[in-house]
Amino acid sequence: EPEVTQTPSHQVTQMGQEVILRCVPISNHLYFYWYRQILGQKVEFLVSFYNNEISEKSEIFDDQFSVERPDGSNFTLKIRSTKLEDSAMYFCASSAYRGTQYFGPGTRLTVL
Amino acid sequence: KQEVTQIPAALSVPEGENLVLNCSFTDSAIYNLQWFRQDPGKGLTSLLLIQSSQREQTSGRLNASLDKSSGRSTLYIAASQPGDSATYLCAVFYNTDKLIFGTGTRLQVFP
Repeated sequence: EPEVTQTPSHQVTQMGQEVILRCVPISNHLYFYWYRQILGQKVEFLVSFYNNEISEKSEIFDDQFSVERPDGSNFTLKIRSTKLEDSAMYFCASSAYRGTQYFGPGTRLTVL
Repeated sequence: KQEVTQIPAALSVPEGENLVLNCSFTDSAIYNLQWFRQDPGKGLTSLLLIQSSQREQTSGRLNASLDKSSGRSTLYIAASQPGDSATYLCAVFYNTDKLIFGTGTRLQVFP
């Protein structure tokens, strides 16, 4: 069964460093998303991406964040200058239409 | 503000019990509602999706219902098993491009 994959599973970085989180969505899906979950808190929406552009973003998704679909298969989230409060589990999701969203296993980001 | 609430926050039951998890949402103009399962430290597994025009969906021992007018959904788990132990998340999709998640119900089923 097709699934969303994410790499790395765990990323440790120093505050102020740039990180890129990678995702491979399900191949025939058209909508792509990033969410995050700070330990013990709700899953929060960051950004959605459709037709090679951002379709919606939350107030969390400020200028430090960017997304890209560099080729036909990868979808990336870049954080330019990480802060301590960026430590969280980051989930990528995809959907074929505006229906069921399928989530990847997540990348745990730890900012020291 | 669009908010999603789940009660109870935690539930511990003996194996074999039928149980109901509740989800409520403040804005009834939903597009669809999705139930997920999350195991500790893991990703989210989609269990069921109910479209706004539907009243319920079933998958195996799971049945999810939707009452838009009252802003509620329930997830019914029949004959619970220890393997059902996980956190169950409800998420609402409005006519935007994001899911709004509840805080979850942490379920423990003991033998």
